[in-house]
Amino acid sequence: KNEVEQSPQNLTAQEGEFITINCSYSVGISALHWLQQHPGGGIVSLFMLSSGKKKHGRLIATINIQEKHSSLHITASHPRDSAVYICAVLSGAGSYQLTFGKGTKLSVIP
Amino acid sequence: SAVISQKPSRDICQRGTSLTIQCQVDSQVTMMFWYRQQPGQSLTLIATANQGSEATYESGFVIDKFPISRPNLTFSTLTVSNMSPEDSSIYLCSVPGNTEAFFGQGTRLTVV
Repeated sequence: KNEVEQSPQNLTAQEGEFITINCSYSVGISALHWLQQHPGGGIVSLFMLSSGKKKHGRLIATINIQEKHSSLHITASHPRDSAVYICAVLSGAGSYQLTFGKGTKLSVIP
Repeated sequence: SAVISQKPSRDICQRGTSLTIQCQVDSQVTMMFWYRQQPGQSLTLIATANQGSEATYESGFVIDKFPISRPNLTFSTLTVSNMSPEDSSIYLCSVPGNTEAFFGQGTRLTVV
C-alpha cells in the first residue's frame, strides 16, 4: 500500500509570498494529482503529473519520480488561494484508484 | 472533461436515520468512486460503483451500511444507513478521466 505524506500540515502566509507544499510517497506510481479542496468540501483537480513540471497561472507542480517526491508552488499568493491542498497518487498502470495525503491547509493573510 | 453534480451539499441528520447522496455526471462513465473524509483524515475509498454490477467495497466498508446504486452510466447514489455520530464526514463521488480526476462538490454530513 502506498503511503502518501504531505508537509506542512498547516501553512500561514502573507499575501504575495511564494508558497511550497511537499508530497512524498512510498511506492512507485503511474501519476500524481494535486487537488484543491474548498471549505465546503468540494474538490478541484489542479494538476495530474507523471513526470517533469506543469504550470497553470500562478501554480507550478513538479515531480521527481526517482525521489518519489512532488512539490506544489504558488507564486504571488492571494487570500483566494486559501484552501486545503491534497496530493493523491495512482499506484499502478491502469489503476484509477487514488491514495490521498491528509492535505495541507493554507491560509493567506491580506 | 466531466462535470459532477452532487446533492445534498450538506445535511444534519438524527442518529439512526439514513441519508442518500446523489451524483449526476454530465457524460457516460464506466467507473464511479465514493470516498469518505473523516475530520482531520485523508480521503478514503468506500467503494467502486460499476454500472450493471454490484459495487466493490473496500476493507472496512460493507454494503448494509453503505448501499450503492448505479442504475446507468451517468448516475449513482450512496446511502449512509443507520447513522451514528461517527459517520459525520464529507462524502465525495469521483470519476476518472484520461488526464485527471473529477470530483463532486462533496456532502458534509453531521449526525447528531
